Amino acid sequence: SQQGEEDPQALSIQEGENATMNCSYKTSINNLQWYRQNSGRGLVHLILIRSNEREKHSGRLRVTLDTSKKSSSLLITASRAADTASYFCATDASHRGSTLGRLYFGRGTQLTVWP
Amino acid sequence: DAGVIQSPRHEVTEMGQEVTLRCKPISGHNSLFWYRQTMMRGLELLIYFNNNVPIDDSGMPEDRFSAKMPNASFSTLKIQPSEPRDSAVYFCASSDPNQPQHFGDGTRLSIL
Repeated sequence: SQQGEEDPQALSIQEGENATMNCSYKTSINNLQWYRQNSGRGLVHLILIRSNEREKHSGRLRVTLDTSKKSSSLLITASRAADTASYFCATDASHRGSTLGRLYFGRGTQLTVWP
Repeated sequence: DAGVIQSPRHEVTEMGQEVTLRCKPISGHNSLFWYRQTMMRGLELLIYFNNNVPIDDSGMPEDRFSAKMPNASFSTLKIQPSEPRDSAVYFCASSDPNQPQHFGDGTRLSIL
């Protein structure tokens, strides 16, 4: 399967702590994306990192990508109760240098931030 | 700007009935995706369209499932006949080519 796999499956922390989620994948990619899903809602795009990038920041989010290890991590700093959600990584399918359009989603990490 | 709009939000019906799920993508987006999400299998891509043309329907579980995109602003996913194992949340997403996908809030389908 080309799906990404998130680790851990569930993470429970206190407000103010940092949350780190990891993603591993199997095939060559053009980019890797992280999405968030609140309960009962659709997925919302958080950040995209291209295969030639190693680190990217957006507000309290920090994403790293290691293409040699086929892995990525999402760090949420100074977490808040409102960050409670499921987080998914998604990879595209690189085919002769061009994406085929579809994304492969992992099973997600359920993050719970306690006030 | 309106996001992806799905209807209905909830559907409860008896097995054997036809179910039609609807999606209005974001205006100007060329790609449209149908997903199914369950606890057991996670998020599965069923089918996606580029410029209204189906590109990959390998995720469609069986012939009971069909999807159409008659124009750039509307798509349907139909299940006929429906079965209890089709119960899931069905998401529609749209995007520009090679850009992040925008998801609707899904249709929660329960087949009794």
